[in-house]
Amino acid sequence: DTGVSQDPRHKITKRGQNVTFRCDPISEHNRLYWYRQTLGQGPEFLTYFQNEAQLEKSRLLSDRFSAERPKGSFSTLEIQRTEQGDSAMYLCASSPRTGNGETQYFGPGTRLLVL
Amino acid sequence: AQTVTQSQPEMSVQEAETVTLSCTYDTSENNYYLFWYKQPPSRQMILVIRQEAYKQQNATENRFSVNFQKAAKSFSLKISDSQLGDTAMYFCAFGGGSEKLVFGKGMKLTVNP
Repeated sequence: DTGVSQDPRHKITKRGQNVTFRCDPISEHNRLYWYRQTLGQGPEFLTYFQNEAQLEKSRLLSDRFSAERPKGSFSTLEIQRTEQGDSAMYLCASSPRTGNGETQYFGPGTRLLVL
Repeated sequence: AQTVTQSQPEMSVQEAETVTLSCTYDTSENNYYLFWYKQPPSRQMILVIRQEAYKQQNATENRFSVNFQKAAKSFSLKISDSQLGDTAMYFCAFGGGSEKLVFGKGMKLTVNP
């Protein structure tokens, strides 16, 4: 069990550019979550997948954000036309089973800085 | 909507002492789960302890225990015999009928030698 991995760990981009982050969940975890964490705050939910289906999206996820999990394994989160307000840590988590209350296991995060 | 409040932004404790971190939440749900996560500096978030709301018995994990007061909607974390490695941000989180976790703002704990 290698844990949740995220790539890249750090990303610096200029305003208006597109960025894509990748998350590899723990093997055989069928739920995958994306959160955003800004400085001094707790993580805020963005979206989650059960296998390849995206089941819930937060209002925080504007039209510039899109997430996919094409084969129910890894997931990508793309931000188009980045804005300075998108600067944050983007966290991915996975959990092993369906049902409420399952522990979510977090990756190390991708820290995004938009200049 | 659920909310989670951690009113203490920062605490410090001496090594080997006991410290209690407070958390309150608001929900209209009856079946839910509560979590404490730890985020060490520049490291990933890890689960410290988990409590099912339907269980009256407070959860314990080695030096970590909780005081779960369902009626008061309070979920505090007690760390006994604090160690330097306990220095981290601690987040209280609520998991209910929705799959997402709702986190508090976190509390920075520093354990001093």
